[in-house]
Amino acid sequence: SQQGEEDPQALSIQEGENATMNCSYKTSINNLQWYRQNSGRGLVHLILIRSNEREKHSGRLRVTLDTSKKSSSLLITASRAADTASYFCATAPSGGYQKVTFGTGTKLQVIP
Amino acid sequence: DTGVSQDPRHKITKRGQNVTFRCDPISEHNRLYWYRQTLGQGPEFLTYFQNEAQLEKSRLLSDRFSAERPKGSFSTLEIQRTEQGDSAMYLCASSSSGTSTDTQYFGPGTRLTVL
Repeated sequence: SQQGEEDPQALSIQEGENATMNCSYKTSINNLQWYRQNSGRGLVHLILIRSNEREKHSGRLRVTLDTSKKSSSLLITASRAADTASYFCATAPSGGYQKVTFGTGTKLQVIP
Repeated sequence: DTGVSQDPRHKITKRGQNVTFRCDPISEHNRLYWYRQTLGQGPEFLTYFQNEAQLEKSRLLSDRFSAERPKGSFSTLEIQRTEQGDSAMYLCASSSSGTSTDTQYFGPGTRLTVL
């Protein structure tokens, strides 16, 4: 079963605009990760945020985490056509080993 | 590049046949995971190995599915008596328990089509 729900399911923007994707989850987490998947390919790890962190940056990516609302957002600034992909959030639970549960994904299309 | 590799990349088979997929993890990673992904969905966890020990299996993994990691390096996933509902992308990932974040690195996947 999927732990998280991404919102929106699909997003279409012009190149240069910012893209924001949201993820909600259900149980307590150790960390939350965002992955990108190009069509028909494997997943690429983008960024990880720990449960005691509120915001993290990596290049054009900004991730926020609100554990009280059990939600996270991924912001991609100055989008490029190459950012076109599906984006998934994945949560690792508190305690135990890192069994990661993926959300349903947001399909982003960046129009040149 | 010594990332996670999977073989084959594509497999087409007839219903009722057996198929076997292979995953070679990043060499220093002791953890290995199998996931299944259907169109429009996120990956769903199937099973997890730490070294050669299979520590968890999802309820999704019916008795037709078996996974092994005999020497704690590569892993195989076998599906017996395939059904059309088994058509999906099968993803393998690996990670190291020696890191604080245990980030999983994914292979390119094996796309299975059952006719």
